[in-house]
Amino acid sequence: DAGVIQSPRHEVTEMGQEVTLRCKLISGHNSLFWYRQTMMRGLELLIYFNNNVPIDDSGMPEDRFSAKMPNASFSTLKIQPSEPRDSAVYFCASSSRPLAGVTSYNEQFFGPGTRLTVL
Amino acid sequence: GNSVTQMEGPVTLSEEAFLTINCTYTATGYPSLFWYVQYPGEGLQLLLKATKADDKGSNKGFEATYRKETTSFHLEKGSVQVSDSAVYFCALFTGGFKTIFGAGTRLFVKA
Repeated sequence: DAGVIQSPRHEVTEMGQEVTLRCKLISGHNSLFWYRQTMMRGLELLIYFNNNVPIDDSGMPEDRFSAKMPNASFSTLKIQPSEPRDSAVYFCASSSRPLAGVTSYNEQFFGPGTRLTVL
Repeated sequence: GNSVTQMEGPVTLSEEAFLTINCTYTATGYPSLFWYVQYPGEGLQLLLKATKADDKGSNKGFEATYRKETTSFHLEKGSVQVSDSAVYFCALFTGGFKTIFGAGTRLFVKA
């Protein structure tokens, strides 16, 4: 399997522009997580989905941020309008649900990240 | 609530030195515990895990033992290499969907 795929790997945009980050899950995984990483705040969970349904979006910083899962294998994170303080590395990760009686945990598989710079 | 506390970095060691990165947790129930590693320019990846008390997780020369009595899961390696330079995250999972990550500890290994 190719692993979690994110695109673009780097994005440079100007303040006020719309930014769309993309993520393709590992085949067979049913949970999807979006994280943001900065030097100041470390790794932050923004939102996560299970079976295409958003479970918890309490980490989404503002209404400017939105995330969707149009199908079981793909997700987008959109920032509109973007601001310089949104500059960060954005990761998505996928996992499968623990199998009852077999495993007691879910390993998260991270993509390589998208480095976003908002000027 | 559930949380993970790990030692602040950066940790700077010479090659072949002994490594310890401390991690303690607070959790309801019986969590599974993990160490993830992030190499420069990459996403996090699972390094090792332990799913019940007294379990020892190990991988690539790293070890960590699940200590329920001290709610700890310290990461150790007997002899670090330059290639071990990375950020290490302690994490826990208590069921449901979400894994709780610590703040990360950056390790620099000098040749």
